[in-house]
Amino acid sequence: NAGVMQNPRHLVRRRGQEARLRCSPMKGHSHVYWYRQLPEEGLKFMVYLQKENIIDESGMPKERFSAEFPKEGPSILRIQQVVRGDSAAYFCASSPLFGLAETQYFGPGTRLLVL
Amino acid sequence: DAKTTQPPSMDCAEGRAANLPCNHSTISGNEYVYWYRQIHSQGPQYIIHGLKNNETNEMASLIITEDRKSSTLILPHATLRDTAVYYCIVRVPNSNSGYALNFGKGTSLLVTP
Repeated sequence: NAGVMQNPRHLVRRRGQEARLRCSPMKGHSHVYWYRQLPEEGLKFMVYLQKENIIDESGMPKERFSAEFPKEGPSILRIQQVVRGDSAAYFCASSPLFGLAETQYFGPGTRLLVL
Repeated sequence: DAKTTQPPSMDCAEGRAANLPCNHSTISGNEYVYWYRQIHSQGPQYIIHGLKNNETNEMASLIITEDRKSSTLILPHATLRDTAVYYCIVRVPNSNSGYALNFGKGTSLLVTP
């Protein structure tokens, strides 16, 4: 059973460009979470999605950031008009349908560097 | 979610047991204790979780005090590959507020030869 997959693993963008980060959850998992880790800091929750629904985006910056988890295909975290402060590691996690003490399993992350 | 307190760093000799403490004195009755670790540049890895009973799996053991105000993660025979930052997180799973993991600063464990 493959784990959570993220691509690309590394992404370089110039200021003003768009960044698209993809996350494929573990097989059978229908809940996806995105976290951001700025350099030398801990992981911070960004958004929680289920298929075709955003459940909680309270951790997302108000502008330029959006996320989706379509019925088919991976979850996408989109950053428009990137700035240098967006440089970070972005981690995706997935969990199965809610059950007793559900656990989130993380992918390897996408390292975004904005020049 | 209850706040947790962990020492910022610890050392352990290879082959010895690593005992990582966590204080969560304000934990509520329905909050679980979860442990994750992050090896440098990798995604966080789930280790173990528990409510009030001690738990053991192939990676580690979790000892929770009777009053549930603190816990200890035990790696029975630490190896160099266990060098990582270890996070203790308390949360209510399956709740509207429990899905966002609060990683805090964790404990940086260094396993030495």
